[in-house]
Parts: sequence; C-alpha cells; structure tokens
Amino acid sequence: NAGVTQTPKFRVLKTGQSMTLLCAQDMNHEYMYWYRQDPGMGLRLIHYSVGEGTTAKGEVPDGYNVSRLKKQNFLLGLESAAPSQTSVYFCASSYSPGQGGNQPQHFGDGTRLSIL
Amino acid sequence: DQQVKQNSPSLSVQEGRISILNCDYTNSMFDYFLWYKKYPAEGPTFLISISSIKDKNEDGRFTVFLNKSAKHLSLHIVPSQPGDSAVYFCATASAGNNRKLIWGLGTSLAVNP
Repeated sequence: NAGVTQTPKFRVLKTGQSMTLLCAQDMNHEYMYWYRQDPGMGLRLIHYSVGEGTTAKGEVPDGYNVSRLKKQNFLLGLESAAPSQTSVYFCASSYSPGQGGNQPQHFGDGTRLSIL
Repeated sequence: DQQVKQNSPSLSVQEGRISILNCDYTNSMFDYFLWYKKYPAEGPTFLISISSIKDKNEDGRFTVFLNKSAKHLSLHIVPSQPGDSAVYFCATASAGNNRKLIWGLGTSLAVNP
C-alpha cells in the first residue's frame, strides 16, 4: 500500500545545477500537488495539476517547472538551482471522482534538498 | 497576511489529559477544514476533517469543533498519549478551488508521560 512515493529522499546540489523530483501515486487520484516547507513558513504550494496533461501555478512557482504526462506521476524540475530553493519538498495527491466532494490530500514523506 | 492562523507555536500536555489545538481563519468562504499530524522526517498525515455544514466531527480520541461565526476551529485529543507528540497543522479550502488547501504554520504538541 505505497500511497504517494517521492524520489529521491535526499539530494545535495550545487548552485546552477538542474534536477527533477519524482512523485508517484497509486491511488488513481486526479489532483496532484507540489509543496515546499521552510522553517516558520508552513507549507506553500508551488504547482499543482488537476489531471493528466494539465498544470497550474501555485503560491510560489518561480524557479520551478512541472509536468504531468501520466496520471500517476507528477514531476518537479529545477532548471538552475539556487540556495533559496534549499527546502523540504512534499508531493500530495487527492480526489477520486465518485467519492464525494471533500477529500483530503495524501502526502509523500518528502525530499530534502540542499543547494550549496 | 496569513489567512489561517495557529497562534500557539507549541503546547505541552500531560499524558491522559486533554489537548486542545486552535486555529483561526479569515475568509468566510472557506467551507472545508482539515487537521494533519506531522512527525519529523515524514509527510503530513490526514487526521480529521469537517465541512461547514457541521459544527462537530468525532473520530475516536479526536474531535474537531467548528465555530463559523467566530471563524475558529479546534482539535481536541482525549486522552492524550505520548505517541500524539507531533506538529499539528490546520488547513482549509473553499468550494470549487481545485481543492487547494491553505495551511497554518502548525502547533508542536508534546505529550509528557
């Protein structure tokens, strides 16, 4: 019963490097989300997707890109990493049509990313 | 400006007693409210929710109360157990907003044996 799986769990990058964080869910959820959590800032939404092939900006989208080519996967890309992007990144998914309007988001265990 | 406020960054309670965590929100359009629990090095875990048509929802030791006129909700844990020690986040959403959640900053609960 995997739920939401994030890879990698840890990563250290140098400024200017690029990388992709992968999120996979096995609950057949329509919606997927990428958040970052920083000390004293709570969870902030970076980008989200309401279905395969769709993406939308959240609260803090600058410096990130996303893709949802398959329903079960949501990728978060950093094209040119900056120290300000040092954070813990969480992926979440929600919403199965036919189960009612209010459904909680389910989270992965996070990716801890350090940019030097 | 924060739309969801958890004014107590931390709370300490004795095992067996009641824990009460509070959350205030500003937008009367919010109609779905959730509590999440988070342990270190793990993702947030959904705990309990309530919709705006109710004022109370109960699940075992956990009860959420909603006071719409005061724009306030609270989470009661009775009895508190050491395993409940975690950070608790309040989150809310308005209908039709693509289920996007707005989060409080969390309250760190310590339940002492």
